[in-house]
Amino acid sequence: KQEVTQIPAALSVPEGENLVLNCSFTDSAIYNLQWFRQDPGKGLTSLLLIQSSQREQTSGRLNASLDKSSGRSTLYIAASQPGDSATYLCAVELPGNTGKLIFGQGTTLQVKP
Amino acid sequence: SAVISQKPSRDICQRGTSLTIQCQVDSQVTMMFWYRQQPGQSLTLIATANQGSEATYESGFVIDKFPISRPNLTFSTLTVSNMSPEDSSIYLCSVEGSPSTDTQYFGPGTRLTVL
Repeated sequence: KQEVTQIPAALSVPEGENLVLNCSFTDSAIYNLQWFRQDPGKGLTSLLLIQSSQREQTSGRLNASLDKSSGRSTLYIAASQPGDSATYLCAVELPGNTGKLIFGQGTTLQVKP
Repeated sequence: SAVISQKPSRDICQRGTSLTIQCQVDSQVTMMFWYRQQPGQSLTLIATANQGSEATYESGFVIDKFPISRPNLTFSTLTVSNMSPEDSSIYLCSVEGSPSTDTQYFGPGTRLTVL
């Protein structure tokens, strides 16, 4: 059974710092891995998607990497801003393009001005 | 990208009653899903809403408790039946944007409180 774990559960950093969020999964047989952002009381916003054959994806100040063999992904946020404060969720899609996502518990990030 | 709306955005209901949540997408999509997010928890997949056929439920979820309809490629409903306080959660629908991107888009969620 696929399980997804995110560390740390919470993180507080001063504005301007670079930071790394970690995600691990137990079964390397995945279709893709996605990072989402969730603001309080809101739905999820897709940040990055990495296909199982890819190693990383970049969007602006965000860079996500994927190491399928070790069951790990990282989300790197450069030059953090207070507007980055949110919960970041990692999810893996089960094999076979089913669209079914297994989510981690999330990392709640606070960026202090 | 797909734009998704949900109704209602929140509700407070009495134990033993039922609530139907609507999910509307601005474009036709093949894959549509319903998730539950219990307080302080992450998201758990309830079911895949299949157009024109019965929904496919995940382990721990049953049709009698969470009946789902999907009459067309832009709309779905989830009913939470015979509610108890344990059903208090955020319910979210999601769609896969397109076969070429695999990116999933989520609705804003319905925050349900059961007294």
